[in-house]
Amino acid sequence: TQLLEQSPQFLSIQEGENLTVYCNSSSVFSSLQWYRQEPGEGPVLLVTVVTGGEVKKLKRLTFQFGDARKDSSLHITAAQPGDTGLYLCAGAYNYGQNFVFGPGTRLSVLP
Amino acid sequence: EAGVAQSPRYKIIEKRQSVAFWCNPISGHATLYWYQQILGQGPKLLIQFQNNGVVDDSQLPKDRFSAERLKGVDSTLKIQPAKLEDSAVYLCASSLERGIEQFFGPGTRLTVL
Repeated sequence: TQLLEQSPQFLSIQEGENLTVYCNSSSVFSSLQWYRQEPGEGPVLLVTVVTGGEVKKLKRLTFQFGDARKDSSLHITAAQPGDTGLYLCAGAYNYGQNFVFGPGTRLSVLP
Repeated sequence: EAGVAQSPRYKIIEKRQSVAFWCNPISGHATLYWYQQILGQGPKLLIQFQNNGVVDDSQLPKDRFSAERLKGVDSTLKIQPAKLEDSAVYLCASSLERGIEQFFGPGTRLTVL
């Protein structure tokens, strides 16, 4: 069974701080997605990365895919209370395969 | 564009009872997924449909769980009989085709007492 690990499991920071969360696997991903899930809602896709070393930016969020395509990071600059939620990574190990979800990082941004 | 609809939003039952969840995917989406999300964990795929055919049900506990997608649109997921460990949020998602962006519904929170 291929497993995704995410760290940290929990993160509580003050508004305005920067943070980075990580997703990694022992196997190579063909593609990787990051989702954000708010309480009582389903996950919402933030980004998909497919190329090793790829960097994508979405406003204050920066996503990086590792060169070896085994890991990824999500960096948030100047976090806001609206960034609070569960950040999930999901990886596909072969093209067209279903995505396997990690356990998530629960982020709380305090005003 | 309307999103993925699920009902009910919440359900509380006693163990050994039966329960059913309903999902209406985004119009035109051929692929439909049911996930189980236990508290503190990421979603786990239970079953995937492509139109009205099952593509992957390898993680579905078939002795108690069943799902169908008649006419390739709406889908129902049933648990019979429920166990305490079935307490979770059941998420439905749909996508235009397999392996691309999935759109999730709000989920049904099931509590088994």
